[in-house]
Amino acid sequence: QVQLVQSGAEVKKPGASVKVSCKASGYSFTSYGISWVRQAPGQGLEWMGWISVNDGKKNYADKLQGRATMTTDTSTSTAYLELRSLTSDDTAVYYCARGEGGWCDPWGQGTLVTVSS
Amino acid sequence: DIVMTQSPDSLAVSLGERATINCKSSQSVLYTSSNQNYLAWYQQKPGQPPKLLIYWASTRESGVPDRFSGSGSGTDFTLTISSLQAEDVAVYYCQQYYSTPQTFGQGTKVEIK
Repeated sequence: QVQLVQSGAEVKKPGASVKVSCKASGYSFTSYGISWVRQAPGQGLEWMGWISVNDGKKNYADKLQGRATMTTDTSTSTAYLELRSLTSDDTAVYYCARGEGGWCDPWGQGTLVTVSS
Repeated sequence: DIVMTQSPDSLAVSLGERATINCKSSQSVLYTSSNQNYLAWYQQKPGQPPKLLIYWASTRESGVPDRFSGSGSGTDFTLTISSLQAEDVAVYYCQQYYSTPQTFGQGTKVEIK
């Protein structure tokens, strides 16, 4: 079955960077894009952007102000999200999902990133 | 950015009764050339990732029970659960994918009365 499995929880200090991975299985990785969405504790869903696995085209949320980089490795069917210059406002569960500019389905299990001094 | 506003923020419904969630977009998400509404609905249970229920505003995802239905067009949309079951307790989100940034509603929490 189609599945996205994400890397484990991270604790980072303010100003640091984090890189979350998302390994896809059960479908042709290059046929779909990957979207990233985050959810702060007790809050709603925030779209961060998407990457086309096929041609590398990317679309980021302006709010991230250039701090995010989305990449893929087709040899391992893995997508990555790197977020730099972390602040406490970046504390959230980060989700990857299959999807490129449209609906997201399915979603990974989520990765909790905690930013704390 | 397109702002998505859901109502109500929460609702409590008796088992077997109908639950209705509304979602309003600040501008139309209907792409006229295809006559498709670029709107999806998700269900999120505690401690779980969101799950796609509906896309194109009214197309039910495979495997989703037929008690879930989506309707509406343009700027006003509705998710209806025709007969609430215990397993439907969750937070429901609408999402527009008409333009970037894609945006979600704030969520509607559905509980059992």
